[in-house]
Amino acid sequence: DGGITQSPKYLFRKEGQNVTLSCEQNLNHDAMYWYRQDPGQGLRLIYYSQIVNDFQKGDIAEGYSVSREKKESFPLTVTSAQKNPTAFYLCASSLRGVGYEQYFGPGTRLTVT
Amino acid sequence: GNSVTQMEGPVTLSEEAFLTINCTYTATGYPSLFWYVQYPGEGLQLLLKATKADDKGSNKGFEATYRKETTSFHLEKGSVQVSDSAVYFCALSQTPGNTGKLIFGQGTTLQVKP
Repeated sequence: DGGITQSPKYLFRKEGQNVTLSCEQNLNHDAMYWYRQDPGQGLRLIYYSQIVNDFQKGDIAEGYSVSREKKESFPLTVTSAQKNPTAFYLCASSLRGVGYEQYFGPGTRLTVT
Repeated sequence: GNSVTQMEGPVTLSEEAFLTINCTYTATGYPSLFWYVQYPGEGLQLLLKATKADDKGSNKGFEATYRKETTSFHLEKGSVQVSDSAVYFCALSQTPGNTGKLIFGQGTTLQVKP
């Protein structure tokens, strides 16, 4: 079955620690995206990548970093510089270009205390 | 810039009632339009889409028509079920440009009571 996997489902960290969220897709999509969702809020774009070895900042990139070394993988690192990291993180992928729908993973809920 | 505005929720309906969730947009060019659904604790699932004016997207009893003259893409369903309780997001493809980015509305929570 094709799809997007995110792991783990729940993640707990202490303040001051970096943490990396995994996102893998086997849909053969070129483009991948990371969003943040806070309770009762919409989605905010953190980073996106349209092709391997290239990525762009979204609307709220500060305190986050990404890499895109393989087509199927787009890990997100939440650094200690992110002031309010507790949130629900969603990864998505799509065909490259305009007008295509995005397919979402199940999400990772990160709690930092 | 491009934007999407959805009606505020929560929307509370009884089972078998008619559903409308309003969505209007601002965009340059000719964006594609989407409705996504999110069940508690899960990711978003594509519900339906429309790629040009007057297109009607439909899936699982839900429908939405791309109205360019009113810049709207309202979601409708003739008879809702308890299992339709979820958060619904309207989205459009970012234009102009070739980034593949989507612009999402704030989401509308639907609660269906038996």
